[in-house]
Amino acid sequence: KQEVTQIPAALSVPEGENLVLNCSFTDSAIYNLQWFRQDPGKGLTSLLLIQSSQREQTSGRLNASLDKSSGRSTLYIAASQPGDSATYLCAVELNFGNEKLTFGTGTRLTIIP
Amino acid sequence: DGGITQSPKYLFRKEGQNVTLSCEQNLNHDAMYWYRQDPGQGLRLIYYSQIVNDFQKGDIAEGYSVSREKKESFPLTVTSAQKNPTAFYLCASSMNLRGTDYGYTFGSGTRLTVV
Repeated sequence: KQEVTQIPAALSVPEGENLVLNCSFTDSAIYNLQWFRQDPGKGLTSLLLIQSSQREQTSGRLNASLDKSSGRSTLYIAASQPGDSATYLCAVELNFGNEKLTFGTGTRLTIIP
Repeated sequence: DGGITQSPKYLFRKEGQNVTLSCEQNLNHDAMYWYRQDPGQGLRLIYYSQIVNDFQKGDIAEGYSVSREKKESFPLTVTSAQKNPTAFYLCASSMNLRGTDYGYTFGSGTRLTVV
């Protein structure tokens, strides 16, 4: 059974700093990995999707990397801003026979002005 | 604007009652999903549907029912058999069942509270 872990559960950093969020998964036979953002009481917003054949994806100040062999992904946020404060979730989709996402429990990020 | 609309935003249910959560999308997506989110836990899949008139159970389907009579709509009924229904419910859709190349779109959620 695929398990997805995100550590730490919460993180606070001063505005302007670069930061890295971590995601690990137990089954390396993934089809893709996605990073989402969730604001309090809201739905999820898709940030980046990495196919299993890719190593990284970039969107603006966000960069997500994927290392399938080690079962790890990182989300790098450059020059953090207070508006980046949210919970960040990663989710994986298995390669065969399991057309659904398995989510981690998220990292709650607070950017201190 | 294309997107997913969930209603109501907040819902209160008395014990023993069935309630139905609405999910409508105008993205022309084939696949739709219902997830449940509890504090400190990841999202868990309740039901999903790839096409009209077809749906599959997810990991925690007991006490829930769905229908997919129209491509745009995927309502979720929380029945009295669901022992702990208080949670945040999220509906999602994707172009295809895998949601691969195009990713997933989520609604803004319905918070259900049993009183």
